[in-house]
Amino acid sequence: AQSVTQPDIHITVSEGASLELRCNYSYGATPYLFWYVQSPGQGLQLLLKYFSGDTLVQGIKGFEAEFKRSQSSFNLRKPSVHWSDAAEYFCAVGIYMNYGGATNKLIFGTGTLLAVQP
Amino acid sequence: DAGVIQSPRHEVTEMGQEVTLRCKPISGHDYLFWYRQTMMRGLELLIYFNNNVPIDDSGMPEDRFSAKMPNASFSTLKIQPSEPRDSAVYFCASSSTEGRQPQHFGDGTRLSIL
Repeated sequence: AQSVTQPDIHITVSEGASLELRCNYSYGATPYLFWYVQSPGQGLQLLLKYFSGDTLVQGIKGFEAEFKRSQSSFNLRKPSVHWSDAAEYFCAVGIYMNYGGATNKLIFGTGTLLAVQP
Repeated sequence: DAGVIQSPRHEVTEMGQEVTLRCKPISGHDYLFWYRQTMMRGLELLIYFNNNVPIDDSGMPEDRFSAKMPNASFSTLKIQPSEPRDSAVYFCASSSTEGRQPQHFGDGTRLSIL
């Protein structure tokens, strides 16, 4: 069965420090992978996506993620965290299949809550 | 460029009342999704539509929940009768089949059932 695991429920980093949020997925086919961010009281905003090609993808707000097929991972990174990056981050794998009605859905991880210390 | 629009943003009502949540997807998107988010269960997919037709409603918790999409620009999620355990943030999202584009989320409806 398809699944996404975010092993870190809560992470605290100092402003200016580097950040890496972990994501592991389980999916039999070529994965479509996403990272979303959710600020308090807001919906989920897409940070970046991986469909194919270059395994290092760049996103908005200075974030990047690297797809590693051998490790079934898609970790999110940022070299220098800003206080405004405090939010909850969700990794997701896209399930797309066509049979009698197009399947198109995201399987989300449980999220990682990022706190930024001044 | 308008995003996904949900209304109301907040709803407080008493147990037993009917609740209707509304969603306008991004123009041109052919998929629409309803999610529920709670502290205990995280983000759950309730139901989704393709070209106004429900494709998968396996996430709908029980018969008290129903969703419709009468046209490409409007969808509703109804709870009747509502219960305190339905309190959550409900999100609507839409996406386009073309190029397997990611889902775009609305700002959600925060529902409180007293």
